[in-house]
Amino acid sequence: QKEVEQNSGPLSVPEGAIASLNCTYSDRGSQSFFWYRQYSGKSPELIMFIYSNGDKEDGRFTAQLNKASQYVSLLIRDSQPSDSATYLCAVNPTSNTGKLIFGQGTTLQVKP
Amino acid sequence: DAGVIQSPRHEVTEMGQEVTLRCKPISGHNSLFWYRQTMMRGLELLIYFNNNVPIDDSGMPEDRFSAKMPNASFSTLKIQPSEPRDSAVYFCASIGGRGKYFGPGTRLTVL
Repeated sequence: QKEVEQNSGPLSVPEGAIASLNCTYSDRGSQSFFWYRQYSGKSPELIMFIYSNGDKEDGRFTAQLNKASQYVSLLIRDSQPSDSATYLCAVNPTSNTGKLIFGQGTTLQVKP
Repeated sequence: DAGVIQSPRHEVTEMGQEVTLRCKPISGHNSLFWYRQTMMRGLELLIYFNNNVPIDDSGMPEDRFSAKMPNASFSTLKIQPSEPRDSAVYFCASIGGRGKYFGPGTRLTVL
């Protein structure tokens, strides 16, 4: 089992819709969770992080964490074509050393 | 701040040659990470440093890979000898403030 799993997609949503990206992780002791956005040919860019169970909102983005179920999700409201990218889920395992474990990423396509 | 700086941005070399990738982390960040990204394997951590000291190199694929961080503002990743399967994008990242910040990457092609 991979340590961090994401559906590779592509996930296709119409402009203005809510995009929901999901991620599961295997290390139950993981403490912090990150979402990165990566445009084609570019480097990953941090967009959200979450440490506690529940929701965390930042503009059009909401990160949701459920440690009991070992999943973390990212919701993008009012999706725009510019949101089309690969979204990487990253988990900081128990040792909390900054050693992020990345999922394979989910490709999001927002169609005008 | 200029962000994490990497050089070169692109490198094409022949199998067997030595390749050196360079990274300058964001000033004040005391942890530096080297990642490799391929379509097949995604983003893999190779090695990371804390206060210039290598902490975990378990991701380094084999002895052909080596990394150094002689000071807080400079790190190198060396591959000697290079092989075609080393072709990938190599990212350097540093930690500070709210999270981990990646450099633009070096796209390495080994022919």
